[in-house]
Amino acid sequence: NAGVTQTPKFRVLKTGQSMTLLCAQDMNHEYMYWYRQDPGMGLRLIHYSVGEGTTAKGEVPDGYNVSRLKKQNFLLGLESAAPSQTSVYFCASSRVNTQYFGPGTRLTVL
Amino acid sequence: DAKTTQPTSMDCAEGRAANLPCNHSTISGNEYVYWYRQIHSQGPQYIIHGLKNNETNEMASLIITEDRKSSTLILPHATLRDTAVYYCIVRVEFTSGGGADGLTFGKGTHLIIQP
Repeated sequence: NAGVTQTPKFRVLKTGQSMTLLCAQDMNHEYMYWYRQDPGMGLRLIHYSVGEGTTAKGEVPDGYNVSRLKKQNFLLGLESAAPSQTSVYFCASSRVNTQYFGPGTRLTVL
Repeated sequence: DAKTTQPTSMDCAEGRAANLPCNHSTISGNEYVYWYRQIHSQGPQYIIHGLKNNETNEMASLIITEDRKSSTLILPHATLRDTAVYYCIVRVEFTSGGGADGLTFGKGTHLIIQP
């Protein structure tokens, strides 16, 4: 039982490049979330999903897109990366209110 | 969700009880108090939650005042591995099939356990 895993762990992009972050959970959770955390700050919600095929915007959705084609996977896409998107990205999943977080992806946009 | 106020940082000696306060004076009757922690560079970890009654699990105890306007997280025998940022979050519990937006994290309390 791996819990919540994130791929990749680290990535460096140039401005304008695109990439997809993958989150996978093996706990059969309905709900999944993407957060970002900037230095010295708490986590902020980007997008979330309440089930397969559904997504919704969080607090800071601009510049990101998401997809939930399979229940166990939640993808976060950056179509045209900007330096302001340099951050640590955390994925989480939950069945009810207790969320389980992945180890994070550290993204640097130059 | 109700807003919470926590001290920016706290120190505690190893082996002693760490008591982390949280004020949530605008909490509503159906809002729970949740505690998460984040050890450096890792994803947040759930600790405990409660509505009215005091709660205890293998990690910690949660004491909620009778008026529910504040709470205290207690780590009974703090170790160096408990050094982390602790987040107090207040939110409505939801039942399966209902809305499920994310958690609202503030800046939390940086707890430093001293050897």
